[in-house]
Amino acid sequence: DAGVTQSPTHLIKTRGQQVTLRCSPKSGHDTVSWYQQALGQGPQFIFQYYEEEERQRGNFPDRFSGHQFPNYSSELNVNALLLGDSALYLCASSWTSGTGELFFGEGSRLTVL
Amino acid sequence: LAKTTQPISMDSYEGQEVNITCSHNNIATNDYITWYQQFPSQGPRFIIQGYKTKVTNEVASLFIPADRKSSTLSLPRVSLSDTAVYYCLVGDRGGSYIPTFGRGTSLIVHP
Repeated sequence: DAGVTQSPTHLIKTRGQQVTLRCSPKSGHDTVSWYQQALGQGPQFIFQYYEEEERQRGNFPDRFSGHQFPNYSSELNVNALLLGDSALYLCASSWTSGTGELFFGEGSRLTVL
Repeated sequence: LAKTTQPISMDSYEGQEVNITCSHNNIATNDYITWYQQFPSQGPRFIIQGYKTKVTNEVASLFIPADRKSSTLSLPRVSLSDTAVYYCLVGDRGGSYIPTFGRGTSLIVHP
């Protein structure tokens, strides 16, 4: 059983560009959450998707958007990249009727130059 | 959302037992306590979850006193591979629950 998979694992962009990160949840999970983790900090919640809708959102600007597909996979899009967007982006899946346990992917390391 | 407080860092030696305590004074009745472990450049990994008293699994034990205002993660006989950041989270596990991570406790295990 594959766990949470994310792609790409590493990428480099320049300021002003746009990026799309992808996530496939663990089999049987219906909820996908995205987190941003800067160096030395804990993961910060960006938003959560359930039934193809954004269910909750953290304190992130509208430049951050997402999507969930019928197969529960998800994308995170970031427009007009800033240097401060450089971080590890983590996708976590869970089952909405479960224990709240999150299963994380290995993350996508974004560097903005 | 219950705020948690845990030490920024801890040091230990191989073979010792490590106890990491987390304070959550305003924990709500429906809240559970969950601990995650994170290695560098990897996503956090669930370790253990509990509501009250003691929970034990193959990795760790979680001790929760009767007032539930704190909890202690106990790692028996740590090894170098237990060097990681440990996060304590508190929440009600419902569908709208958003696990919120603080800075965690950075545990370094020395030879």
